[in-house]
Amino acid sequence: QVQLVQSGSELKQPGASVKLSCKASGYTFTTYGMIWVRQAPGQGLEWMGWINTNTGNPTYAQDFTGRFVFSLDTSVSTAYLQISSLKAEDTAVYYCARPRGGGGGREYHHFGMDVWGQGTTVTVSS
Amino acid sequence: QSVLTQPPSTSGAPGQRVTISCSGSSSNIGRNAVNWYQQLPGTAPKLLIFNNNQRPSGVPDRFSGSKSGTSASLAISGLQSEDETDYYCAAWDDSLNGVLFGGGTKLTVL
Repeated sequence: QVQLVQSGSELKQPGASVKLSCKASGYTFTTYGMIWVRQAPGQGLEWMGWINTNTGNPTYAQDFTGRFVFSLDTSVSTAYLQISSLKAEDTAVYYCARPRGGGGGREYHHFGMDVWGQGTTVTVSS
Repeated sequence: QSVLTQPPSTSGAPGQRVTISCSGSSSNIGRNAVNWYQQLPGTAPKLLIFNNNQRPSGVPDRFSGSKSGTSASLAISGLQSEDETDYYCAAWDDSLNGVLFGGGTKLTVL
């Protein structure tokens, strides 16, 4: 079945880096982009951006430029999110999601995100 | 400032119909489609409505969506106890060049 399986929880100190993974199965990885969404404790959802799994081209939301990097390893159908210089406010659950229409841009948004990973909890604390 | 506004909470009795509003602007809902997501506690969001009023396969027809101008609504009829959870609207925002989520609405089934 179609699914996204994310890596396990992470506990990091401020200033450290973390790399999260999202492994896709049940479909052709490069047919759909990958979207990343953040949810801080008790808060709502934030769209972080997306990566084109065909070209590797990332698009970042305005609040997620600089310390956040999307990457891929298409040989293992996996998308990655790396966060550097971690801050306490990065503490959140990070989800990967598949855009139902294929791409993550404006022309595809109306199709929605139909498959989600289970989420990875990142805790930043000294 | 680009923002999608949802009521923080709403409630209804079993069997009743409730609506959840999502208010935006010309840069988001006014020009682009709205999707709705349901998030059960401790789980990932689930696509409930896409393209304003379309249901993915498997979503009961008790759930419906609509859009008018710069606002959208999610309606849930025949309320059931399992509907008690959080709901989020989402729309592309042309000013931000990205997706905006509403703040979420917690539905309580009385």
